[in-house]
Amino acid sequence: EAQVTQNPRYLITVTGKKLTVTCSQNMNHEYMSWYRQDPGLGLRQIYYSMNVEVTDKGDVPEGYKVSRKEKRNFPLILESPSPNQTSLYFCASRTTNEKLFFGSGTQLSVL
Amino acid sequence: EDQVTQSPEALRLQEGESSSLNCSYTVSGLRGLFWYRQDPGKGPEFLFTLYSAGEEKEKERLKATLTKKESFLHITAPKPEDSATYLCAVPNAGGTSYGKLTFGQGTILTVHP
Repeated sequence: EAQVTQNPRYLITVTGKKLTVTCSQNMNHEYMSWYRQDPGLGLRQIYYSMNVEVTDKGDVPEGYKVSRKEKRNFPLILESPSPNQTSLYFCASRTTNEKLFFGSGTQLSVL
Repeated sequence: EDQVTQSPEALRLQEGESSSLNCSYTVSGLRGLFWYRQDPGKGPEFLFTLYSAGEEKEKERLKATLTKKESFLHITAPKPEDSATYLCAVPNAGGTSYGKLTFGQGTILTVHP
């Protein structure tokens, strides 16, 4: 089954403790992207990757890192999480016709 | 700066009561407009892509249309299962080849039986 898999589904952590949210797709898509979704602010793009070793900033990249060492994986790294990064995070990948496939989301709480 | 604004924020309909959702945008050179549906606790699901003014696309009870300044998502005779948040998005002119996407805040649609 074609899918984008994020882990974990829920994560509670404390300020400053480094964490990684994993994202994997099995559709051989070149493009992958991370978004955060907050009430009243909608979906905002954090980073995107057009291909392996090619990443670029979205609209809200501060406090986040990404890497794209292989086509299927695109992890999101928070080196020193802060409470304002509490949010619902989505990973997505895309075909060449711009149709985005989203993961099920990761609900992150930073205390 | 590219902007996408959706209205209304929330819409309550009775089953069978047709209506429309609006997505207005300001971008320098539209390169497509996308509609997604999002159910609670899930990731958005792709509905339509529109590329040029005058274009229309349909899927079951949904029809999306596009003008030079806005897009409409028309819902004909909705059913309770159409209840969801509907999102529109446009490629950001500052991005690489559709890399950056700007989403609207969404319209929460509730259809009562």
